[in-house]
Amino acid sequence: QVQLVQSGAEVKKPGSSVKVSCKAAGGTFNRYVISWVRQAPGQGLEWMGGTVPKFDITNYAQRFQGRVTITTDESTRTVYMDLSSLRYEDTAVYFCAREGPYGYFEDWGQGTLVTVSS
Amino acid sequence: EIVLTQSPATLSLSPGERATLSCRASQSVSSYLAWYQQKPGQAPRLLIYDASHRATGIPARFSGSGSGTDFTLTISSLEPEDFAVYYCQQRSNWPRYSFGQGTKLEIK
Repeated sequence: QVQLVQSGAEVKKPGSSVKVSCKAAGGTFNRYVISWVRQAPGQGLEWMGGTVPKFDITNYAQRFQGRVTITTDESTRTVYMDLSSLRYEDTAVYFCAREGPYGYFEDWGQGTLVTVSS
Repeated sequence: EIVLTQSPATLSLSPGERATLSCRASQSVSSYLAWYQQKPGQAPRLLIYDASHRATGIPARFSGSGSGTDFTLTISSLEPEDFAVYYCQQRSNWPRYSFGQGTKLEIK
């Protein structure tokens, strides 16, 4: 099992960018997919994109293509999610989640609330 | 994109009763489907993977079935801690994962 610890809450203005971090402790970090999933207030889960650090493979959901960037610093076991051109509707809790050997999200971060407000 | 539709949106039952939750995919996902439980203020927890396999530490009262486009999560006898929101998720077409919109299981 891998423990994922995310950075703290952010308040951002429309049009700006936010960068959320997800640090992995314990277990195998770089061999499995680490994804970002967001949840708007009172809404369901939405997959944004994922990366396999060991193979430097990253893919994004079509609706976020061009606005989201997922990067990895293997030396610190940290994955980052950068979301640009923020809109009010990007207000959500952002989770990082690691796939286990069966390909599903077994380990989750605690979530990071990003509020977009003028 | 594969769309997952969960039903019902809300299910009202009492402890001890049997719960049956449904997830329907817009096209076949084979058996590449999972179920998650989410409680308020918490991250989701993996319950079932590959349609019918319980994840580590998940009680036997949780079971999953189905393949192709129709899937079911069954909780055989509800415990108080089971009242939560449940999501299905498909991974049949990496990198195009998707989740259902959720079923809220509430105490009657």
